[in-house]
Amino acid sequence: DGGITQSPKYLFRKEGQNVTLSCEQNLNHDAMYWYRQDPGQGLRLIYYSQIVNDFQKGDIAEGYSVSREKKESFPLTVTSAQKNPTAFYLCASSMARIDLNEQFFGPGTRLTVL
Amino acid sequence: QKEVEQDPGPLSVPEGAIVSLNCTYSNSAFQYFMWYRQYSRKGPELLMYTYSSGNKEDGRFTAQVDKSSKYISLFIRDSQPSDSATYLCAMSAEVYSFNKFYFGSGTKLNVKP
Repeated sequence: DGGITQSPKYLFRKEGQNVTLSCEQNLNHDAMYWYRQDPGQGLRLIYYSQIVNDFQKGDIAEGYSVSREKKESFPLTVTSAQKNPTAFYLCASSMARIDLNEQFFGPGTRLTVL
Repeated sequence: QKEVEQDPGPLSVPEGAIVSLNCTYSNSAFQYFMWYRQYSRKGPELLMYTYSSGNKEDGRFTAQVDKSSKYISLFIRDSQPSDSATYLCAMSAEVYSFNKFYFGSGTKLNVKP
């Protein structure tokens, strides 16, 4: 089955710790994205990557970092510099077609700071 | 002003009702309009996609786009309890390998048996 997997499903972090959220896709998609979802605010773009070894900041990149060493993988690190990291994090991927650029989403990781 | 505005609800309807969900937007460059459905604690899944103005129907779901009013709608006929979810509208301007999506905040729908 093709799809996007995210792990872990739930993650708890202490103040001052860095944590890394995993995102893997086997859809052979070039582009991958990280979003943050907070209640009542919809999805906000953190980082995106169009190709291996290249990534760009989204609207709320401060306190986050990413890497794209493989086409299939786009891990997100939430650093201690992120002031309010408790949120639901969604990874997505897409392959552009001439008529549609659908983004497929993973199941999400819920991060809670203790 | 947000690029995309969506009433957060919650919207509660009896089973079998017709549901109307709406979004407004400010950027006239948007050409691609999507509706995603998100069940609680899950990732969003694409429900409907429309290019430019007009209507699109898929089973019990109809998507409408009125570009002159910058207004999009999703209608659900014969609503079922399984339709209870948060519905997110999304829009984009052009199709490239990366294309920024602008999401509404989502409307939470509850269909009561």
